[in-house]
Amino acid sequence: GAVVSQHPSWVICKSGTSVKIECRSLDFQATTMFWYRQFPKQSLMLMATSNEGSKATYEQGVEKDKFLINHASLTLSTLTVTSAHPEDSSFYICSAYDRGEKLFFGSGTQLSVL
Amino acid sequence: KQEVTQIPAALSVPEGENLVLNCSFTDSAIYNLQWFRQDPGKGLTSLLLIQSSQREQTSGRLNASLDKSSGRSTLYIAASQPGDSATYLCALLDSGYALNFGKGTSLLVTP
Repeated sequence: GAVVSQHPSWVICKSGTSVKIECRSLDFQATTMFWYRQFPKQSLMLMATSNEGSKATYEQGVEKDKFLINHASLTLSTLTVTSAHPEDSSFYICSAYDRGEKLFFGSGTQLSVL
Repeated sequence: KQEVTQIPAALSVPEGENLVLNCSFTDSAIYNLQWFRQDPGKGLTSLLLIQSSQREQTSGRLNASLDKSSGRSTLYIAASQPGDSATYLCALLDSGYALNFGKGTSLLVTP
């Protein structure tokens, strides 16, 4: 079945530093990938839609200059949290559709900003 | 804006019990509804996908139903096992292109 690989699984960083999260589709090409964020005891919320070869589409309230998304190839999308602050601590997860209608998710990244 | 509500928020049952998880949504104009399983520190695994034209889907001990008119879906788990312990998420695709998630039901099945 379709597999989406996400790295790292968890990261701890100091406030003010940047963190890059990678999302790869291993056995299919994904022209579109989705980035979600989940705060404790809250639902997964879509942050942005990553489109291969073009700019990402951000949801309302998500700072595009803070959450940089790059989708340079059909199998790789990256999310960079720039100048991270403690309030950015969250669970970040990517997803992509394969040829069907099921959405496959990466394993997620738990970010803790000290 | 679509709102997805899952009840109960948490559930603890002894092994072997049959159980029902509930999901309700406010806008019935959906394309499909999915139930996911989320394990601690891990990603999401799709369990069942119900198209808007369907009433239910079954996979092993899992059965999911969909009633669009009432804005409800249920996930039925038969003969629960400790390995079923996880958070179960209901998510639906409506006029947008991404899923709308509920907050989930945290299930604990005790031996």
